[in-house]
Amino acid sequence: DTGVSQNPRHKITKRGQNVTFRCDPISEHNRLYWYRQTLGQGPEFLTYFQNEAQLEKSRLLSDRFSAERPKGSFSTLEIQRTEQGDSAMYLCASSFGQNSGNTIYFGEGSWLTVV
Amino acid sequence: KNEVEQSPQNLTAQEGEFITINCSYSVGISALHWLQQHPGGGIVSLFMLSSGKKKHGRLIATINIQEKHSSLHITASHPRDSAVYICAPASYSNYQLIWGAGTKLIIKP
Repeated sequence: DTGVSQNPRHKITKRGQNVTFRCDPISEHNRLYWYRQTLGQGPEFLTYFQNEAQLEKSRLLSDRFSAERPKGSFSTLEIQRTEQGDSAMYLCASSFGQNSGNTIYFGEGSWLTVV
Repeated sequence: KNEVEQSPQNLTAQEGEFITINCSYSVGISALHWLQQHPGGGIVSLFMLSSGKKKHGRLIATINIQEKHSSLHITASHPRDSAVYICAPASYSNYQLIWGAGTKLIIKP
């Protein structure tokens, strides 16, 4: 399967713990995006990378959130000291090219439940 | 006022009906995406448009850049088309997707 892969697909964690999600984009896709979606709402932009450079971060990405794409391939999204409000689905997407004039491919998402 | 307006928000139709979902936006865009999201999360990109019309199977998407309006049509609708359809223009200034609220479509057999 050469689609966008995310893992873990589901994560239940206690409040205060750290969690990390991984996204493997389609190979050769230079752009990678992270979104967050809560139940009943549309996805909210978190951040995106062009190759290994993090070009933009949403104000939603507080100090507890950090994303990396060290070699311009896979990316990780870490949430430190999780809070119940962090419970959501974290979506990764990738595309190829310099702008959004190319098809974006989405992963299946990683569900986070903070208890 | 939201930058992206979709209508209707909810649509229930009988199998076989012709479906139209509309999207209006107020910002300059480089392209517009129509996305489909099934219950459970998975988002699938249906179309990426920068002008004109595209067709894929029973799905047709059109865009009028001057009027800042796009439509998604489904012909001969089927219960498996039941999903949330999202219009997501890509901002001209930073290429980021601006998400519409989505249209929840239910097709009854």
